[in-house]
Amino acid sequence: AQSVTQLDSQVPVFEEAPVELRCNYSSSVSVYLFWYVQYPNQGLQLLLKYLSGSTLVKGINGFEAEFNKSQTSFHLRKPSVHISDTAEYFCAVSVWTSGTYKYIFGTGTRLKVLA
Amino acid sequence: DTEVTQTPKHLVMGMTNKKSLKCEQHMGHRAMYWYKQKAKKPPELMFVYSYEKLSINESVPSRFSPECPNSSLLNLHLHALQPEDSALYLCASSQGQGHNTEAFFGQGTRLTVV
Repeated sequence: AQSVTQLDSQVPVFEEAPVELRCNYSSSVSVYLFWYVQYPNQGLQLLLKYLSGSTLVKGINGFEAEFNKSQTSFHLRKPSVHISDTAEYFCAVSVWTSGTYKYIFGTGTRLKVLA
Repeated sequence: DTEVTQTPKHLVMGMTNKKSLKCEQHMGHRAMYWYKQKAKKPPELMFVYSYEKLSINESVPSRFSPECPNSSLLNLHLHALQPEDSALYLCASSQGQGHNTEAFFGQGTRLTVV
């Protein structure tokens, strides 16, 4: 079964430092991966997606991710974080089942940006 | 318009009440979803509608009853809920069958069962 694993539950980082949030996936077929951000008491906002093509994906707010098939990873990176990046980040995979796609989420990583 | 609109934003209900959550999208998406999210946890899938038909029910208790009146609307009817059902309920939509793209999420309804 397709799934994603986020090993880091919390990542503290100082403002203007780089950050990497890790996501590993398990799949034996074509995989479609997403990163979402959730600010407190809000819904989920898409940061970026990998469906096919270039393995380096650029998203909103200066985030990017690299799809690595050999390492089954899809890590999220930002070269310089801001206080406003403090939020919960979810990696997700879409799975085709019962005639539709469903989206399965990792357990999330709480990014805390420190002044 | 890339919005998924959920109403109400907050809801407090007693265990004997009947209430409904509403979700609307005008992106022409043919798949719509209900997720439940407890504090500090990821969203958990409850139901998926594809082309207005229920495709997936993730073994959700019958006190939750989904309804898809048309391709733009999705409801979640609530009856005889328990305090442990208190959570953030998220609606989402995607293009649907044959189109693997992202899901768009609403802002959620914060439900408190007392």
